[in-house]
Amino acid sequence: EVQLVETGGGLVRPGSSLKLSCATSGFTFSNTWMNWVRQAPGKGLEWVALIKDKYSNYEANYAESVKGRFTISRDDSKSRVYLQMNTLRDQDTATYYCTKGGNWFAYWGQGTLVTVSS
Amino acid sequence: DVVMTQTPVSLPVSLGGQASISCRSSQSLVHSNGNTYLHWYLQKPGQSPQLLIYRVSNRFSGVPDRFSGSGSGTDFTLKISRVEPEDLGDYYCLQSTHFPPTFGSGTKLEIK
Repeated sequence: EVQLVETGGGLVRPGSSLKLSCATSGFTFSNTWMNWVRQAPGKGLEWVALIKDKYSNYEANYAESVKGRFTISRDDSKSRVYLQMNTLRDQDTATYYCTKGGNWFAYWGQGTLVTVSS
Repeated sequence: DVVMTQTPVSLPVSLGGQASISCRSSQSLVHSNGNTYLHWYLQKPGQSPQLLIYRVSNRFSGVPDRFSGSGSGTDFTLKISRVEPEDLGDYYCLQSTHFPPTFGSGTKLEIK
């Protein structure tokens, strides 16, 4: 059974940093592309970042809204994907979901809530 | 970015009835490889989104055949027949033909 479990969310001040983690199991992580997708409270879904597998040299892509502030990474030995978020803004407040897959996001975690507020 | 326009915003339906949701893209979703990367998700209240349909018309594992997807180019439709209480929630389309992937704004399916 595919499982994705996000952790690391919380309440932080604007300008601060936070690192999210997604632990995975039930599939071959090392050859799977992984994404982060977020959802602001009461709003729709927004793709945030993608990290490809080793066969694609771990290429990372970002939404314009987070480029230069967020960094996606992975540890294939631990089957984990991460999202380092720096210089957080109020508008980054959202539930962050880890998702499996490149072209379509077949599986989603339960999400972790990040609240950016002074 | 490709803009995905979903209609209606809200869709009241009767249990046992049929629902139809439209998703239109601002440019063709036909990839250079010939595939069309348009997908549908359902987010039930308080839950994560779940994949229903991938590449226009392919039902994901475990998805009932009451759900069907169709369309081409820029115009796509999700149909739900014999609506059941478990079908209620927010439906989203997603395009991943063009970078970045973009979602529709959602359609709330509710009981009439």
